Amino acid sequence: DIQMTQSPSSLSASVGDRVTITCRASQGIRNDLGWYQQKPGKAPKRLIYAASSLQSGVPSRFSGSGSGTEFTLTISSLQPEDFATYYCLQHNSYPLYTFGQGTKLEIK
Amino acid sequence: QVQLVQSGAEVKKPGSSVKVSCKASGGTFSSYAISWVRQAPGQGLEWMGRIIPILGIANYAQKFQGRVTITADKSTSTAYMELSSLRSEDTAVYYCARDLGRGLLDYWGQGTLVTVSS
Repeated sequence: DIQMTQSPSSLSASVGDRVTITCRASQGIRNDLGWYQQKPGKAPKRLIYAASSLQSGVPSRFSGSGSGTEFTLTISSLQPEDFATYYCLQHNSYPLYTFGQGTKLEIK
Repeated sequence: QVQLVQSGAEVKKPGSSVKVSCKASGGTFSSYAISWVRQAPGQGLEWMGRIIPILGIANYAQKFQGRVTITADKSTSTAYMELSSLRSEDTAVYYCARDLGRGLLDYWGQGTLVTVSS
């Protein structure tokens, strides 16, 4: 199985900050990666697909980049509603998927 | 509007099995896959496997191979996830999700809490 290593596991930041979350794949996965946001008690929601494409309806302050083994999710200016847990999900090994371990973004 | 409704919470003994159901409405059940994802208390998301109902083909994460069985009943638009040889570490909320491929899990069930305790 492809392993996804996400960092950091938690992050404290303030409204207006720029934050970056990283996901590393154990082998090259091209751009077969998405980013999900999960709020407490809610189902996850995809923000980014194909590593850098913004899902329809997602604010433009979210962006993704990367290819191969290293990927980043950046939030350019944190808003109060962005405090949540973020996960990467690789689908290069379709039909098998792998989530990263998650990054909990908390208010400083 | 697709809706996935899961069965209720379960309490199981170690070594036993649990079967969780996921009934779909809206959309065409056979035209998409159903993935199962679990989340242990305070932990991250873990993809377990998927089924394509129209084909009846299931795929499983290596970690769960031999312990999980995912099936689907097209006549009732219901998917099932059965996990056997339960241990305390299997205590988690189990979710089903509509899987459109390329990593898109767009509609999710409400989750089913499975507690494994002696």
